[in-house]
Amino acid sequence: AQKVTQAQTEISVVEKEDVTLDCVYETRDTTYYLFWYKQPPSGELVFLIRRNSFDEQNEISGRYSWNFQKSTSSFNFTITASQVVDSAVYFCALSEASGGGNKLTFGTGTQLKVEL
Amino acid sequence: EAGVAQSPRYKIIEKRQSVAFWCNPISGHATLYWYQQILGQGPKLLIQFQNNGVVDDSQLPKDRFSAERLKGVDSTLKIQPAKLEDSAVYLCASSFRGREADTQYFGPGTRLTVL
Repeated sequence: AQKVTQAQTEISVVEKEDVTLDCVYETRDTTYYLFWYKQPPSGELVFLIRRNSFDEQNEISGRYSWNFQKSTSSFNFTITASQVVDSAVYFCALSEASGGGNKLTFGTGTQLKVEL
Repeated sequence: EAGVAQSPRYKIIEKRQSVAFWCNPISGHATLYWYQQILGQGPKLLIQFQNNGVVDDSQLPKDRFSAERLKGVDSTLKIQPAKLEDSAVYLCASSFRGREADTQYFGPGTRLTVL
């Protein structure tokens, strides 16, 4: 069975600090996709980034960057120069083929609080 | 482009009552998903539709939950009768084809409270 672990339950930072959210996954598939979603207090899950298992190149998109390492089964997400609007719950998810379809297996989320 | 729409946003019922949720996916998306998110947890897939057919309902408590997507567009999720443990946010998502690589886009969710 596939599993996603987000060991950090809650992180508090002061605005403009950098923050890294950790994600460790387990899968037997050789082809898989990893995602990060943001869930603000309004409740909607907002898609942030997607990575496939064949591309370990780390990228930066604006204030967001991610570090994908297959050797350690980790897919960490970093916000640079955090802002109050970044306060939300962040979920890491793993996409797997399931019963002819596909489903996302989510971690338990990390609550990020950015304070002034 | 309009996102995934859901209604109602909030619902409060008493146990043993029935409730229904509605979802309209992003236009052109063939695949529709219903997830249940209990407070403090990540979302869990309940059912996946490809057009108007069920692809995966292995996690759906079929004794009380039902879902349909009759014309391959809108979908309804019903709970009858509700239990206290059904209190959760019910999230609808859609994707273009339903492949592993596809990004799932989520609606705002319906927060259900069962008293």
